[in-house]
Amino acid sequence: DTGVSQNPRHKITKRGQNVTFRCDPISEHNRLYWYRQTLGQGPEFLTYFQNEAQLEKSRLLSDRFSAERPKGSFSTLEIQRTEQGDSAMYLCASSPSGGNHEQYFGPGTRLTVT
Amino acid sequence: AQSVTQPDIHITVSEGASLELRCNYSYGATPYLFWYVQSPGQGLQLLLKYFSGDTLVQGIKGFEAEFKRSQSSFNLRKPSVHWSDAAEYFCAVGPNYSGNTPLVFGKGTRLSVIA
Repeated sequence: DTGVSQNPRHKITKRGQNVTFRCDPISEHNRLYWYRQTLGQGPEFLTYFQNEAQLEKSRLLSDRFSAERPKGSFSTLEIQRTEQGDSAMYLCASSPSGGNHEQYFGPGTRLTVT
Repeated sequence: AQSVTQPDIHITVSEGASLELRCNYSYGATPYLFWYVQSPGQGLQLLLKYFSGDTLVQGIKGFEAEFKRSQSSFNLRKPSVHWSDAAEYFCAVGPNYSGNTPLVFGKGTRLSVIA
């Protein structure tokens, strides 16, 4: 069990550029979640997947945000036309489905938009 | 809508002293409750969870929490704090029909430990 991994760990980009983050969940976990955490706040839910199906995406912050999990394994979160307000830590978590299971979090990707 | 309130933004305790971090939730039914800890630059690590049963739950690193339905609270406690406990602590709630749905987090309590 190597845990949830996220890449890159840090990303600095200029306003208006597109960025993509990757999350690799724990291998046997079929649920995958994306959260955003801004300074001084707790994580805020964005979207989640059961295998390759995106179960909830209404909480994505705008239509500039999109996420995929094409083969039910890793996931990507893309932000198009980045804005300074997108600067935050983007956290990924995974869990098994069914029953009482907690979510396991990755180390996060810190995005800075200049 | 679910919500979580952590009334204390920052707490400072002396090493060896006891600790209690407060968490109140708003939810229409019995929720699933969690405490996570986050060290600087790190992801969140689960300390403990409550799903059902015994309302006093034990976690890792000597932490425990008590679910009090009448007070809608799930306070985290530790009898003797170590310097390595300095971190940000988050309380979270999820719906009780499944533990595998998106969580709602509080804003966190930052714990400082002094000698």
